[in-house]
Amino acid sequence: EAGVTQFPSHSVIEKGQTVTLRCDPISGHDNLYWYRRVMGKEIKFLLHFVKESKQDESGMPNNRFLAERTGGTYSTLKVQPAELEDSGVYFCASSHLTEQYFGPGTRLTVT
Amino acid sequence: LAKTTQPISMDSYEGQEVNITCSHNNIATNDYITWYQQFPSQGPRFIIQGYKTKVTNEVASLFIPADRKSSTLSLPRVSLSDTAVYYCLVASGFQKLVFGTGTRLLVSP
Repeated sequence: EAGVTQFPSHSVIEKGQTVTLRCDPISGHDNLYWYRRVMGKEIKFLLHFVKESKQDESGMPNNRFLAERTGGTYSTLKVQPAELEDSGVYFCASSHLTEQYFGPGTRLTVT
Repeated sequence: LAKTTQPISMDSYEGQEVNITCSHNNIATNDYITWYQQFPSQGPRFIIQGYKTKVTNEVASLFIPADRKSSTLSLPRVSLSDTAVYYCLVASGFQKLVFGTGTRLLVSP
């Protein structure tokens, strides 16, 4: 069974540019989560989808971040415009029951 | 969400059994206890999950006392490749996971 995949693995962009991260969950998992770890900090929750609906977006830092999950399959997380403090590793996780399975992450560097 | 407390770091040697204890005094009735392992530059990897008593899988065992205010992850006969950060998390249902700093385990030859 394929695990959670994320694309790209690395992204380097300049401040003010736009970046879109993609997450493909494990097939059949209705729950999809986004987390991130910024430099030196702990992994923090961003939001939770159930199918295509946002169940909890309490962790989204501001309106420069937009997450979508059209059709309830893969999800995208867009950062527009990117700021220096957005640099970090963005993880996606999916679950069918209570165990969340994480992807390898996307390392975002904003210069 | 229940807060968890675990040691910042632990050291062990190859072939030894490692037990990492996590405290979660405010665990709620519906909460499960889940442990993850994370290597540098990788996402957290699910190890084991339990609600009460003992759970065992091919990788580890999880011991949960009756009051559920703590739990112990047991790794039998560790190897160098078990060097990683281990996170103890408590959540119910499909709640978000709240990560702490975890326990950094170093296994030496």
